[in-house]
Amino acid sequence: QKEVEQNSGPLSVPEGAIASLNCTYSDRGSQSFFWYRQYSGKSPELIMSIYSNGDKEDGRFTAQLNKASQYVSLLIRDSQPSDSATYLCAVARRDAGGTSYGKLTFGQGTILTVHP
Amino acid sequence: DTEVTQTPKHLVMGMTNKKSLKCEQHMGHRAMYWYKQKAKKPPELMFVYSYEKLSINESVPSRFSPECPNSSLLNLHLHALQPEDSALYLCASSQDGNEQFFGPGTRLTVL
Repeated sequence: QKEVEQNSGPLSVPEGAIASLNCTYSDRGSQSFFWYRQYSGKSPELIMSIYSNGDKEDGRFTAQLNKASQYVSLLIRDSQPSDSATYLCAVARRDAGGTSYGKLTFGQGTILTVHP
Repeated sequence: DTEVTQTPKHLVMGMTNKKSLKCEQHMGHRAMYWYKQKAKKPPELMFVYSYEKLSINESVPSRFSPECPNSSLLNLHLHALQPEDSALYLCASSQDGNEQFFGPGTRLTVL
């Protein structure tokens, strides 16, 4: 079982729809969860971080975390063609000493295509 | 200044060359990272520096040698690379080991 799993896609949604991206992780000690967006040929860009169970909203983006189910998701409302990219889920855990300097484990990424 | 910069943007080198990649951040972040990313794959962690000390080395071959001259700078020295080392090399920084911010990367081609 991979440590962090995502559907590779491609996920295709029409403009204006809600895109739903999902991620599961295997390490129950994981404490920090991130979504990165990566356009083709560019570097990853942090778009959301979430640390507690529940929802976190930022503009058109909502991250959802359920630690009991080891599941984190990203919803993109009113999807735009400019949202077409690869979305990477990343997970980190803290060391026994409580620090996290800071091994991110990435999923394989989900390719999202928003068509006009 | 809220960005991580990397130089050069592109690098082509032969297998006998020695070159260096450079990364700089002026956000006061305490941790800096090197990642390697192959096409259609996620970034793979290579090295982590915290407070200018190497804290994680992900069993990277010795032909890659990191250096952290000060809290703002991170170098990756390259020597005797192989063609399979061709990839996008990403630098990132983080204040507290949680949110990591990536630079634009150096696209390396080894001939």
